[in-house]
Amino acid sequence: DAKTTQPTSMDCAEGRAANLPCNHSTISGNEYVYWYRQIHSQGPQYIIHGLKNNETNEMASLIITEDRKSSTLILPHATLRDTAVYYCIVRRYNNNDMRFGAGTRLTVKP
Amino acid sequence: DAGITQSPRHKVTETGTPVTLRCHQTENHRYMYWYRQDPGHGLRLIHYSYGVKDTDKGEVSDGYSVSRSKTEDFLLTLESATSSQTSVYFCAISESRLGQGDEKLFFGSGTQLSVL
Repeated sequence: DAKTTQPTSMDCAEGRAANLPCNHSTISGNEYVYWYRQIHSQGPQYIIHGLKNNETNEMASLIITEDRKSSTLILPHATLRDTAVYYCIVRRYNNNDMRFGAGTRLTVKP
Repeated sequence: DAGITQSPRHKVTETGTPVTLRCHQTENHRYMYWYRQDPGHGLRLIHYSYGVKDTDKGEVSDGYSVSRSKTEDFLLTLESATSSQTSVYFCAISESRLGQGDEKLFFGSGTQLSVL
């Protein structure tokens, strides 16, 4: 699986959009980009995933650059409950594991 | 939230004793996984199951065994617990096999295990 690089930590004001970047410059054509988050003391929670196109669901939007070497997770109106560690994961099509790295610790402030 | 229950939620045990952690799901998902989470290592796959009585090893399987006699239950056993197995253990399920490319993992709330 391609390696991902995320900032260690970020802050965001409550009510504002949180934009979490992820670099995956070695991604190959059959690798998906996944985002999960982990709120303190809980299990990771699936957020969104995509292959080439931008995706949106009730939780977030995923913007993947045209060359697929980076992506951004957007939480449109961050709340205090969005404070968590956010993991960007790139997975190969036929890989049976989901490898979680260190992620980005997002702190939403009042 | 996916119907995943892990038990116990917390356990303290002594080195050398056997320990069994249980994962129970009500989603009827075929695939189940055990992960451990440690500072500096992130989440690492221990074992996974792709059906009743069908299991396979993950990245860090040494010292662990698993069993799946029913779709809804996946047991993780530490035959002789060691201090290095002190960790938070998460069970996860998925409807389709990881590797199809379009699957999602749903996690339980975790079991905090301390081996003294």
